[in-house]
Amino acid sequence: DSGVTQTPKHLITATGQRVTLRCSPRSGDLSVYWYQQSLDQGLQFLIQYYNGEERAKGNILERFSAQQFPDLHSELNLSSLELGDSALYFCASQSGQFEETQYFGPGTRLLVL
Amino acid sequence: AQSVAQPEDQVNVAEGNPLTVKCTYSVSGNPYLFWYVQYPNRGLQFLLKYITGDNLVKGSYGFEAEFNKSQTSFHLKKPSALVSDSALYFCAVRDKGATNKLIFGTGTLLAVQP
Repeated sequence: DSGVTQTPKHLITATGQRVTLRCSPRSGDLSVYWYQQSLDQGLQFLIQYYNGEERAKGNILERFSAQQFPDLHSELNLSSLELGDSALYFCASQSGQFEETQYFGPGTRLLVL
Repeated sequence: AQSVAQPEDQVNVAEGNPLTVKCTYSVSGNPYLFWYVQYPNRGLQFLLKYITGDNLVKGSYGFEAEFNKSQTSFHLKKPSALVSDSALYFCAVRDKGATNKLIFGTGTLLAVQP
């Protein structure tokens, strides 16, 4: 158990809908990263937050957004969903120091029908 | 741009035999390298990392990796494979830009036959 929790584990929804994925980092970790794992794109970085502020963006679509709250949990919002958004979404947390390890949650499997 | 490559989509090995999962990297300067494992329907589990120091890094579950600067490689190894080691293995490099994001390889499926 990495100490990173993600809810829900599975999500099935329809095209055009909006969903929210939640992540709770390990105790004391300030950084949260979101990654997407799909068959065609592999594991790709989406966005990073550090202590409540957006730190960096990767290949994140404009339909997607995220935030990190004062208690350091994070939410990834996916809207106007398309079939191609079906993927496994991971969050990872890190203490904030560059050399430290990122620990991953179990992921949320999203299926858009 | 920084990247890692995993040249083998799948590695097959018999239980009890040594295993190697290959990874090569392309990084300017000194790399920070990681191995993660993903079991079916599970998240990514950290195995080991190379930051600096000894080129042979020991990690979880009996795995180790050898950092080779001249060959720009970071191969994952285990002296004796177990059926339970069957999983998807990812090599990753830490981005040295504005973020600490991980850049992952495409993954190697390890299949250990009993």
